[in-house]
Amino acid sequence: DTGVSQDPRHKITKRGQNVTFRCDPISEHNRLYWYRQTLGQGPEFLTYFQNEAQLEKSRLLSDRFSAERPKGSFSTLEIQRTEQGDSAMYLCASSPWGQPLDHGYTFGSGTRLTVV
Amino acid sequence: DAKTTQPNSMESNEEEPVHLPCNHSTISGTDYIHWYRQLPSQGPEYVIHGLTSNVNNRMASLAIAEDRKSSTLILHRATLRDAAVYYCMPKAGRRALTFGSGTRLQVQP
Repeated sequence: DTGVSQDPRHKITKRGQNVTFRCDPISEHNRLYWYRQTLGQGPEFLTYFQNEAQLEKSRLLSDRFSAERPKGSFSTLEIQRTEQGDSAMYLCASSPWGQPLDHGYTFGSGTRLTVV
Repeated sequence: DAKTTQPNSMESNEEEPVHLPCNHSTISGTDYIHWYRQLPSQGPEYVIHGLTSNVNNRMASLAIAEDRKSSTLILHRATLRDAAVYYCMPKAGRRALTFGSGTRLQVQP
């Protein structure tokens, strides 16, 4: 397994356009997470899935953001009508899930979005 | 989510041990304590996590206070490659990780 893959690595888009990012988690991991990180800040949680179910969404995830994980494998994060404030690194992570132990996350290298 | 406090920055010399502190006084009894680090232009990297007992792995050691209100990440021999931002986070099993601003570690040759 090559770890968590994110595509594309970089995306430049004009304000008002829609963008979609893809994340391929580690195959045996059933939890998948999306984070956003701006320069100089720690990653901010956006949402996470357990298999295909979206279990939690942050208040940061406005109506313009939507995430899917239709078959419990890869996930997509779409941003509609992008704004300059959406410029950030979008990070995906995956982890196993199983009680009672907690598990560490494996992060991808991220997709850097620049809205011009 | 439990609130965490970490120093903004720390410095170390190469090949010396580094002790990175974290206070999490409002931690819940079932929260695990996670540590991650982030090198420049990369995604965060898992370092170690634990519940009550001290933990060791190939990267680091985690010392957890008896009352669990603080923890210390120990890098036994710092290298230049350990220069990164280190994040400490208590985490409830069903919740996602919540990152703070972390400690920026600089390692001097």
